[in-house]
Amino acid sequence: GENVEQHPSTLSVQEGDSAVIKCTYSDSASNYFPWYKQELGKRPQLIIDIRSNVGEKKDQRIAVTLNKTAKHFSLHITETQPEDSAVYFCAASKSAGGSQGNLIFGKGTKLSVKP
Amino acid sequence: GAGVSQSPSNKVTEKGKDVELRCDPISGHTALYWYRQSLGQGLEFLIYFQGNSAPDKSGLPSDRFSAERTGGSVSTLTIQRTQQEDSAVYLCASSFRQGDYEQYFGPGTRLTVT
Repeated sequence: GENVEQHPSTLSVQEGDSAVIKCTYSDSASNYFPWYKQELGKRPQLIIDIRSNVGEKKDQRIAVTLNKTAKHFSLHITETQPEDSAVYFCAASKSAGGSQGNLIFGKGTKLSVKP
Repeated sequence: GAGVSQSPSNKVTEKGKDVELRCDPISGHTALYWYRQSLGQGLEFLIYFQGNSAPDKSGLPSDRFSAERTGGSVSTLTIQRTQQEDSAVYLCASSFRQGDYEQYFGPGTRLTVT
């Protein structure tokens, strides 16, 4: 089955710096890669996603890149702000074939942005 | 509109007891997922339902875990003969349909087995 590895487990940056979180996946059939942000005591919320037919996607200060050949994808946050502090989870799933839709998550990255 | 809701928000139970956790998905969402989040860990897939199709139970950790979805809407996750290792936050999510559609998560049920 699919396995998703996420690094680093913790990340501390100064406000205004960039943050990068990296994930690798094992199942080449995976074709949907969402990123979720979970603030302390709250539910995970989708912040950005990418499908395997594109290599990069941006939404304001957030971008995600995907390398299908290497089976890895990354989250980039620029101009970090204290409110970006949270745990970020990457995930992978297949939109076709067996086990459609269920997300396999990485173990999360705790991002701390110091003012 | 209303988001995904779950009840109870917290549940403390004694080892060996059965528990039922409830999930109300977003109206119109045909796919419903259950995940488990242990302290400091990622989210572990348990089971999902798509419409009236047979559920995908491939993530259930043991036969003590089961889930139902009645009428294509509300779902109940049942854990029989609870063990201390079952202590976790159980999250439910729903999406418009299975596949690459955004999954909206509920607030979770924090289960503590003493």
